[in-house]
Amino acid sequence: QKEVEQNSGPLSVPEGAIASLNCTYSDRGSQSFFWYRQYSGKSPELIMFIYSNGDKEDGRFTAQLNKASQYVSLLIRDSQPSDSATYLCAPGGANNLFFGTGTRLTVIP
Amino acid sequence: NAGVTQTPKFRILKIGQSMTLQCTQDMNHNYMYWYRQDPGMGLKLIYYSVGAGITDKGEVPNGYNVSRSTTEDFPLRLELAAPSQTSVYFCASIPAGVRYNEQFFGPGTRLTVL
Repeated sequence: QKEVEQNSGPLSVPEGAIASLNCTYSDRGSQSFFWYRQYSGKSPELIMFIYSNGDKEDGRFTAQLNKASQYVSLLIRDSQPSDSATYLCAPGGANNLFFGTGTRLTVIP
Repeated sequence: NAGVTQTPKFRILKIGQSMTLQCTQDMNHNYMYWYRQDPGMGLKLIYYSVGAGITDKGEVPNGYNVSRSTTEDFPLRLELAAPSQTSVYFCASIPAGVRYNEQFFGPGTRLTVL
Protein backbone atom coordinates (compact mmCIF):
# COMPACT_ATOMS: atom_id res chain seq x y z
CA GLN A 1 0.00 0.00 0.00
CA LYS A 2 1.54 3.26 -1.10
CA GLU A 3 0.84 5.93 1.48
CA VAL A 4 0.92 9.68 1.37
CA GLU A 5 0.55 11.55 4.64
CA GLN A 6 -0.42 15.16 5.09
CA ASN A 7 -1.57 17.08 8.12
CA SER A 8 -5.28 17.56 7.43
CA GLY A 9 -5.32 20.91 9.21
CA PRO A 10 -6.98 23.27 9.16
CA LEU A 11 -3.90 25.44 8.91
CA SER A 12 -4.66 29.09 9.53
CA VAL A 13 -2.22 31.86 8.66
CA PRO A 14 -2.68 35.65 8.57
CA GLU A 15 -2.65 37.44 5.23
CA GLY A 16 0.90 38.17 4.12
CA ALA A 17 2.46 35.35 6.14
CA ILE A 18 4.21 32.22 4.86
CA ALA A 19 2.14 29.03 4.77
CA SER A 20 4.09 25.80 5.05
CA LEU A 21 2.50 22.55 3.88
CA ASN A 22 4.19 19.21 4.40
CA CYS A 23 3.90 15.74 2.91
CA THR A 24 5.62 12.41 3.48
CA TYR A 25 5.31 9.41 1.20
CA SER A 26 6.12 5.72 1.46
CA ASP A 27 6.98 4.76 -2.13
CA ARG A 28 10.72 5.20 -2.67
CA GLY A 29 10.15 4.60 -6.39
CA SER A 30 8.22 7.84 -6.80
CA GLN A 31 9.95 10.06 -9.34
CA SER A 32 7.54 12.95 -9.71
CA PHE A 33 5.92 15.09 -7.05
CA PHE A 34 2.95 17.33 -7.55
CA TRP A 35 1.00 19.85 -5.52
CA TYR A 36 -2.63 20.49 -6.39
CA ARG A 37 -4.93 23.17 -5.06
CA GLN A 38 -8.59 22.27 -4.70
CA TYR A 39 -11.25 24.82 -3.91
CA SER A 40 -14.37 23.52 -2.21
CA GLY A 41 -16.61 21.76 -4.73
CA LYS A 42 -14.10 22.11 -7.56
CA SER A 43 -11.66 19.81 -9.31
CA PRO A 44 -7.95 19.76 -8.40
CA GLU A 45 -5.71 22.25 -10.15
CA LEU A 46 -1.97 21.66 -10.56
CA ILE A 47 0.11 24.46 -9.05
CA MET A 48 3.61 23.02 -8.68
CA PHE A 49 5.65 19.99 -9.64
CA ILE A 50 9.17 18.93 -8.77
CA TYR A 51 11.35 16.05 -9.90
CA SER A 52 14.75 16.73 -8.34
CA ASN A 53 15.99 17.13 -4.79
CA GLY A 54 16.14 20.71 -3.62
CA ASP A 55 13.93 23.73 -4.12
CA LYS A 56 11.85 24.89 -7.04
CA GLU A 57 10.32 28.36 -7.06
CA ASP A 58 7.40 29.64 -9.11
CA GLY A 59 6.13 33.04 -8.13
CA ARG A 60 4.92 32.93 -4.54
CA PHE A 61 5.19 29.14 -4.42
CA THR A 62 8.28 27.09 -3.52
CA ALA A 63 8.33 23.30 -3.57
CA GLN A 64 11.02 21.48 -1.62
CA LEU A 65 11.92 17.84 -2.15
CA ASN A 66 14.09 15.50 -0.09
CA LYS A 67 13.95 12.02 -1.57
CA ALA A 68 16.20 10.50 1.08
CA SER A 69 13.74 11.58 3.77
CA GLN A 70 10.72 10.92 1.49
CA TYR A 71 9.49 14.39 2.20
CA VAL A 72 8.08 17.11 0.01
CA SER A 73 6.79 20.49 1.08
CA LEU A 74 5.10 23.56 -0.35
CA LEU A 75 5.72 27.09 0.87
CA ILE A 76 3.34 29.87 -0.04
CA ARG A 77 4.81 33.33 0.53
CA ASP A 78 2.72 36.47 1.03
CA SER A 79 -0.39 34.34 1.56
CA GLN A 80 -3.63 35.80 0.22
CA PRO A 81 -7.24 35.03 1.13
CA SER A 82 -7.59 33.56 -2.37
CA ASP A 83 -5.05 30.89 -1.35
CA SER A 84 -7.62 29.45 1.07
CA ALA A 85 -8.19 25.94 -0.27
CA THR A 86 -7.20 22.33 0.27
CA TYR A 87 -3.72 21.42 -0.96
CA LEU A 88 -3.15 17.87 -2.16
CA CYS A 89 0.27 16.28 -2.35
CA ALA A 90 0.67 13.63 -5.05
CA PRO A 91 3.86 11.61 -5.57
CA GLY A 92 3.75 9.55 -8.72
CA GLY A 93 5.29 6.98 -10.97
CA ALA A 94 4.70 5.75 -14.48
CA ASN A 95 0.96 5.31 -14.53
CA ASN A 96 -0.46 6.80 -11.40
CA LEU A 97 -0.35 9.54 -8.87
CA PHE A 98 -1.08 8.68 -5.23
CA PHE A 99 -2.87 11.49 -3.51
CA GLY A 100 -2.73 12.51 0.11
CA THR A 101 -5.90 13.53 1.91
CA GLY A 102 -4.90 17.17 1.68
CA THR A 103 -4.26 20.05 4.05
CA ARG A 104 -6.95 22.67 4.40
CA LEU A 105 -5.44 26.16 4.43
CA THR A 106 -7.28 29.25 5.61
CA VAL A 107 -5.71 32.67 5.08
CA ILE A 108 -7.18 35.20 7.48
CA PRO A 109 -7.52 38.76 6.15
CA ASN B 1 -10.70 23.49 -26.97
CA ALA B 2 -13.05 22.41 -24.17
CA GLY B 3 -10.47 20.39 -22.19
CA VAL B 4 -12.02 17.53 -20.21
CA THR B 5 -15.79 17.36 -19.98
CA GLN B 6 -17.86 15.11 -17.73
CA THR B 7 -21.54 14.31 -17.70
CA PRO B 8 -23.73 14.30 -15.75
CA LYS B 9 -22.76 16.85 -13.08
CA PHE B 10 -25.02 15.28 -10.47
CA ARG B 11 -26.88 12.00 -10.20
CA ILE B 12 -28.87 10.14 -7.58
CA LEU B 13 -29.12 6.38 -8.00
CA LYS B 14 -31.02 3.72 -6.13
CA ILE B 15 -29.17 0.67 -4.84
CA GLY B 16 -28.77 -1.87 -7.62
CA GLN B 17 -29.24 0.57 -10.49
CA SER B 18 -26.60 1.02 -13.15
CA MET B 19 -25.25 4.06 -14.95
CA THR B 20 -22.41 5.32 -17.10
CA LEU B 21 -20.36 8.38 -16.27
CA GLN B 22 -19.14 10.05 -19.44
CA CYS B 23 -15.72 11.62 -19.93
CA THR B 24 -14.48 13.27 -23.11
CA GLN B 25 -11.27 15.18 -23.88
CA ASP B 26 -10.45 17.09 -27.03
CA MET B 27 -6.70 17.48 -26.53
CA ASN B 28 -5.68 14.18 -28.15
CA HIS B 29 -4.25 13.01 -24.83
CA ASN B 30 -3.15 9.39 -24.68
CA TYR B 31 -3.60 8.85 -20.95
CA MET B 32 -6.95 9.05 -19.22
CA TYR B 33 -7.87 8.36 -15.61
CA TRP B 34 -10.90 7.93 -13.40
CA TYR B 35 -10.59 8.95 -9.74
CA ARG B 36 -13.07 9.03 -6.92
CA GLN B 37 -12.92 11.41 -4.00
CA ASP B 38 -14.81 10.67 -0.81
CA PRO B 39 -15.58 13.56 1.57
CA GLY B 40 -12.44 14.88 3.28
CA MET B 41 -10.23 12.41 1.45
CA GLY B 42 -7.71 12.43 -1.36
CA LEU B 43 -8.30 11.00 -4.80
CA LYS B 44 -8.23 7.25 -5.36
CA LEU B 45 -7.53 5.83 -8.83
CA ILE B 46 -10.27 3.55 -10.16
CA TYR B 47 -9.12 2.77 -13.70
CA TYR B 48 -6.78 4.27 -16.23
CA SER B 49 -6.04 3.95 -19.93
CA VAL B 50 -2.81 4.53 -21.83
CA GLY B 51 -4.53 4.65 -25.22
CA ALA B 52 -7.50 3.47 -27.24
CA GLY B 53 -8.22 -0.19 -26.55
CA ILE B 54 -5.97 -0.38 -23.47
CA THR B 55 -7.24 -0.11 -19.90
CA ASP B 56 -5.97 -1.21 -16.52
CA LYS B 57 -7.11 -1.30 -12.91
CA GLY B 58 -6.13 1.25 -10.32
CA GLU B 59 -6.36 1.11 -6.53
CA VAL B 60 -10.15 0.72 -6.19
CA PRO B 61 -11.61 -0.95 -9.33
CA ASN B 62 -14.24 -3.20 -7.70
CA GLY B 63 -17.76 -2.37 -8.80
CA TYR B 64 -16.67 -0.44 -11.89
CA ASN B 65 -15.87 -1.11 -15.53
CA VAL B 66 -14.36 1.01 -18.28
CA SER B 67 -13.79 0.96 -22.01
CA ARG B 68 -11.68 3.09 -24.35
CA SER B 69 -12.81 2.68 -27.93
CA THR B 70 -11.58 6.12 -29.03
CA THR B 71 -8.84 8.48 -27.90
CA GLU B 72 -11.43 11.06 -26.86
CA ASP B 73 -13.83 9.05 -24.70
CA PHE B 74 -13.34 7.08 -21.50
CA PRO B 75 -16.70 6.12 -19.94
CA LEU B 76 -16.97 4.62 -16.45
CA ARG B 77 -19.72 2.06 -15.85
CA LEU B 78 -21.34 1.23 -12.51
CA GLU B 79 -23.29 -2.00 -12.86
CA LEU B 80 -24.91 -2.51 -9.43
CA ALA B 81 -24.77 0.73 -7.51
CA ALA B 82 -24.03 0.50 -3.79
CA PRO B 83 -24.05 3.21 -1.08
CA SER B 84 -20.25 2.82 -0.82
CA GLN B 85 -20.01 4.28 -4.33
CA THR B 86 -21.40 7.61 -3.18
CA SER B 87 -18.57 9.95 -4.07
CA VAL B 88 -17.35 12.63 -6.44
CA TYR B 89 -15.85 11.18 -9.61
CA PHE B 90 -13.15 13.00 -11.53
CA CYS B 91 -11.86 12.17 -14.97
CA ALA B 92 -8.39 13.38 -15.96
CA SER B 93 -6.09 13.21 -18.95
CA ILE B 94 -2.44 13.78 -19.74
CA PRO B 95 -0.52 13.79 -23.03
CA ALA B 96 1.91 11.14 -24.19
CA GLY B 97 5.19 10.95 -22.31
CA VAL B 98 3.34 10.76 -18.98
CA ARG B 99 3.59 14.53 -18.66
CA TYR B 100 1.69 14.95 -15.41
CA ASN B 101 2.56 18.63 -15.40
CA GLU B 102 0.07 18.96 -18.25
CA GLN B 103 -2.68 17.03 -16.51
CA PHE B 104 -6.22 18.31 -16.87
CA PHE B 105 -9.14 17.35 -14.65
CA GLY B 106 -12.79 17.43 -15.57
CA PRO B 107 -15.28 19.29 -13.34
CA GLY B 108 -16.47 16.09 -11.63
CA THR B 109 -19.67 14.09 -11.26
CA ARG B 110 -21.29 14.04 -7.83
CA LEU B 111 -23.00 10.67 -7.35
CA THR B 112 -25.27 9.69 -4.49
CA VAL B 113 -26.51 6.11 -4.06
CA LEU B 114 -29.52 5.69 -1.79
